[in-house]
Amino acid sequence: DTGVSQNPRHKITKRGQNVTFRCDPISEHNRLYWYRQTLGQGPEFLTYFQNEAQLEKSRLLSDRFSAERPKGSFSTLEIQRTEQGDSAMYLCASSSGLRRGNEQFFGPGTRLTVL
Amino acid sequence: SQQGEEDPQALSIQEGENATMNCSYKTSINNLQWYRQNSGRGLVHLILIRSNEREKHSGRLRVTLDTSKKSSSLLITASRAADTASYFCATDDDMRFGAGTRLTVKP
Repeated sequence: DTGVSQNPRHKITKRGQNVTFRCDPISEHNRLYWYRQTLGQGPEFLTYFQNEAQLEKSRLLSDRFSAERPKGSFSTLEIQRTEQGDSAMYLCASSSGLRRGNEQFFGPGTRLTVL
Repeated sequence: SQQGEEDPQALSIQEGENATMNCSYKTSINNLQWYRQNSGRGLVHLILIRSNEREKHSGRLRVTLDTSKKSSSLLITASRAADTASYFCATDDDMRFGAGTRLTVKP
């Protein structure tokens, strides 16, 4: 497998529940990004990691959101106490290199629906 | 705030015609990238242009960069129905995307 994978592909949950998504980047990539995308909009940057270090978090990322990349490989994004406004496609991307701005490879996304 | 902002928001052309879409950004950059997203599919990287380049080609794609105007354009020549997608630009500075240009190519 040479691509970025995300699981699950779809998640339906009730408001107030916690959800966790997983992203497996391309194995040799040291950078990993999370984005959120709603219908008709471009991806909104949430956070990114270089290896296991979380280097930047968007102000969009409220305290209900947390992301980890414990061993510098896969990453998880957790949303606590979900709200209907959290319904969106959550995209993960990875890239290699020492600087931001190298080509990013995107996964297929996890579509979250909060009822 | 968005860094890359694309225009027009929507573009509809006939197969075989050329399509041009533009991107503006606010701060100095090292490079600018264009991505495509087909309906229901993930984003795919199309082309990267560095700040010291003015023009770059890849197949039917031609990208220009004007750092003095902080703008870039993507030209797709001899469009095909399969080019129907949303196109986004993003700058290296923070990889923030605009709302994209929705291109429809009619057969």
